[in-house]
Amino acid sequence: EPEVTQTPSHQVTQMGQEVILRCVPISNHLYFYWYRQILGQKVEFLVSFYNNEISEKSEIFDDQFSVERPDGSNFTLKIRSTKLEDSAMYFCASRKSTSGQETQYFGPGTRLLVL
Amino acid sequence: EDQVTQSPEALRLQEGESSSLNCSYTVSGLRGLFWYRQDPGKGPEFLFTLYSAGEEKEKERLKATLTKKESFLHITAPKPEDSATYLCAVQYYGGATNKLIFGTGTLLAVQP
Repeated sequence: EPEVTQTPSHQVTQMGQEVILRCVPISNHLYFYWYRQILGQKVEFLVSFYNNEISEKSEIFDDQFSVERPDGSNFTLKIRSTKLEDSAMYFCASRKSTSGQETQYFGPGTRLLVL
Repeated sequence: EDQVTQSPEALRLQEGESSSLNCSYTVSGLRGLFWYRQDPGKGPEFLFTLYSAGEEKEKERLKATLTKKESFLHITAPKPEDSATYLCAVQYYGGATNKLIFGTGTLLAVQP
């Protein structure tokens, strides 16, 4: 069964460094999302992406964040200058474009630790 | 403000002891309500999607129902492998891209 994959599974970085989190969405899906979950807290929406542009972003998704679909399969989240408070699990999700197929499927996540 | 509230926060059951988890929502114009299972350190695993009041979905020992204000996840004769955090999330009309708004989850522990 097709699934969303994410790399790396764990990332440790120093404050102020840039990180890139990678995702391979399900192949016939057209909508892509990033969410994050700080330890012990709820899953929070960061950004959605469709047709090679950002469709919606949350207040969390400030100028330090960017997303890109560099080729036909990968979807990336870049944090330019990491802060301690960026430490969290980051989840990629994707869904089909078909109306009535609203379900988002999540990847296993990348655990980011900023020291 | 749109909100999703789950209760209880934590639930401990004996194997075979049936129970229900609650998800109440206050979004204006529900587009869909979703149940996910999350194991420690893993991503949310899709369980059910419900679109309209009165709808029910079933899978093995789990059954999800939806009313105009809340959803229930019924667990019948649970087994230890059902232990996980169960997340409820909603989508609403008016959002640009169907982002999910999550509740804080119910941590379920099933003891043998």
